[in-house]
Amino acid sequence: AQSVAQPEDQVNVAEGNPLTVKCTYSVSGNPYLFWYVQYPNRGLQFLLKYITGDNLVKGSYGFEAEFNKSQTSFHLKKPSALVSDSALYFCAVRWTDKLIFGTGTRLQVFP
Amino acid sequence: EADIYQTPRYLVIGTGKKITLECSQTMGHDKMYWYQQDPGMELHLIHYSYGVNSTEKGDLSSESTVSRIRTEHFPLTLESARPSHTSQYLCASSELWTGEGYGYTFGSGTRLTVV
Repeated sequence: AQSVAQPEDQVNVAEGNPLTVKCTYSVSGNPYLFWYVQYPNRGLQFLLKYITGDNLVKGSYGFEAEFNKSQTSFHLKKPSALVSDSALYFCAVRWTDKLIFGTGTRLQVFP
Repeated sequence: EADIYQTPRYLVIGTGKKITLECSQTMGHDKMYWYQQDPGMELHLIHYSYGVNSTEKGDLSSESTVSRIRTEHFPLTLESARPSHTSQYLCASSELWTGEGYGYTFGSGTRLTVV
């Protein structure tokens, strides 16, 4: 079955430190992978995607993600976290005409 | 900002009332989706549509219904609201999967509380 796993419910990081939010996927064929961010009382906003090509994908707000086919992972990263990065982050994989979302990871950046 | 609009943003309603949550998009997208979001964050697909007069049930059983009479409009209706329907409801749309684009575009959501 197609699925996305985000193993951490919450990630805590100090401002200025690098951050990683983990995502692994299971889907047949070549994956289309996405990261979305959700701020309080808002819908989800697109951050970045991997379709094909370079395994390191750069997105909005200084975020990037690394696609690793052998580990079936698509971890979200940022070299230096900001307090304003605190939000919910969702990884998703395309399956047929729908996106399958992970359960979400709450990122808390402390000053 | 997003070209998909949900109204109302917040709604408190009594048990047994009928409600309709509105969702409209101006992007001409054929595909539209409704998600129910737990207080614990997880997203559950409850309905989707591939175009006018197309509606399908999603992965999570829901007592709600949807209609798609116009491309831009995808309202969700609860005939008789119950406290278990208290949740955030997110509407989304997408273009054809050409490899470009942003996957889904989401509305800001409707936070429903049934008392």
